[in-house]
Amino acid sequence: EIVLTQSPGTLSLSPGERATLSCRASQSFDSRYLAWYQQKPGQAPRLLMYATSTRATGIPDRFSGSGSGTDFTLTISRLEPEDFAVYFCQHYERPPPMYTFGQGTKLEIK
Amino acid sequence: QVQLQQWGAGLLKPSETLSLTCVSYDGSFSGYYWSWVRQPPGKGLEWIGEINHRGTTNYNPSLRGRVTISVDTSKSQVSLKVSSVTAEDTAVYYCAGQPTGVFAMAVWGQGATVIVSS
Repeated sequence: EIVLTQSPGTLSLSPGERATLSCRASQSFDSRYLAWYQQKPGQAPRLLMYATSTRATGIPDRFSGSGSGTDFTLTISRLEPEDFAVYFCQHYERPPPMYTFGQGTKLEIK
Repeated sequence: QVQLQQWGAGLLKPSETLSLTCVSYDGSFSGYYWSWVRQPPGKGLEWIGEINHRGTTNYNPSLRGRVTISVDTSKSQVSLKVSSVTAEDTAVYYCAGQPTGVFAMAVWGQGATVIVSS
């Protein structure tokens, strides 16, 4: 089972700044199988990015994803107040089919 | 746009069986795999398992043996049962859907809080 490690655990930034969130895997895998989610308190996660760099429906273009092999990055180019939340990366592997999540990065207002 | 609504018992005693149901509206039920994901208080996300419209299931090995996911295509519903619950099963439980060919959960239910306490 591949383990995903996200860093930093907490990121303190101001609106308008650029955020770079990292997700590192214990083994290399196909970039089709990496996704990112945003979760706000009391809400279900929301899919931001899948296949490493494809934005989900309705996600603004200030969000971008990149990476390959074991190192993946979610970048928010210019933070808006509504972007402060917890972000999870997620991996899919098979066989057998299995989804695993990173432990999350909390993006907080500085 | 697919919408999910879920329901089920929220307070259980140890050794009881957790039972949740999720219904899909306004979309192609057969075009998704349907997953259950849980989140213990203040912690991260754990995938429990998935099912498709044909009833093909895949489970997280850490929970296999206690978990059953089933489908009722006539009602566009999926259900989750977790037997012999303990306090470690206390969590918010979400149903979610992965569109075919997208290895990520694009739609989510509102979540259901399940507390296991004697």
